Amino acid sequence: GQQLNQSPQSMFIQEGEDVSMNCTSSSIFNTWLWYKQDPGEGPVLLIALYKAGELTSNGRLTAQFGTTRKDSFLNISASIPSDVGIYFCAGYTGTASKLTFGTGTRLQVTL
Amino acid sequence: KAGVTQTPRYLIKTRGQQVTLSCSPISGHRSVSWYQQTPGQGLQFLFEYFSETQRNKGNFPGRFSGRQFSNSRSEMNVSTLELGDSALYLCASSSGTGSRVSGYTFGSGTRLTVV
Repeated sequence: GQQLNQSPQSMFIQEGEDVSMNCTSSSIFNTWLWYKQDPGEGPVLLIALYKAGELTSNGRLTAQFGTTRKDSFLNISASIPSDVGIYFCAGYTGTASKLTFGTGTRLQVTL
Repeated sequence: KAGVTQTPRYLIKTRGQQVTLSCSPISGHRSVSWYQQTPGQGLQFLFEYFSETQRNKGNFPGRFSGRQFSNSRSEMNVSTLELGDSALYLCASSSGTGSRVSGYTFGSGTRLTVV
């Protein structure tokens, strides 16, 4: 099945550093979502984006809906240990009523 | 309000057997979607049910099926299990109407191991 290209695949960073990750698609989406998944749990929604160019923040997280509607970006500022997990982007078109997920970015934070 | 409840959390089955997983959505949500998560293929869409009707289906063989009851609870069934069916099966519920999808809430999943 289709997966969106997400990079980087994994990151090791120090506490307090900023993190950037992105997601690209060959298809256009009208909604972009970012999820975080902890081990053994389901994904939890972090941020939802609904129109091209939109920039939305949720605490230390900021995400952007790319202007081409084929990409999205997530930034985490001043990382803390509880940011550890796997981050997924997901695209949604509405007509297909399904989420297409990215390949995931595994984030590890060292003290 | 209570979240999405999936049962059982863990399951071990033998090749060739069949399995049924259950998902109870958030109260008032009428849409339930199922996803398979594996290390190799990531999160893949299985199917979506809305008001007891399958509204969309992913690219999985016919061994994978589902249904939704009048109270919106959903079950998925996998027949003739194969080793490759070992995965975390996630369900997500939403109101199912409107174009905004932020209402997708995932359950904790059922970890299926086929031996």
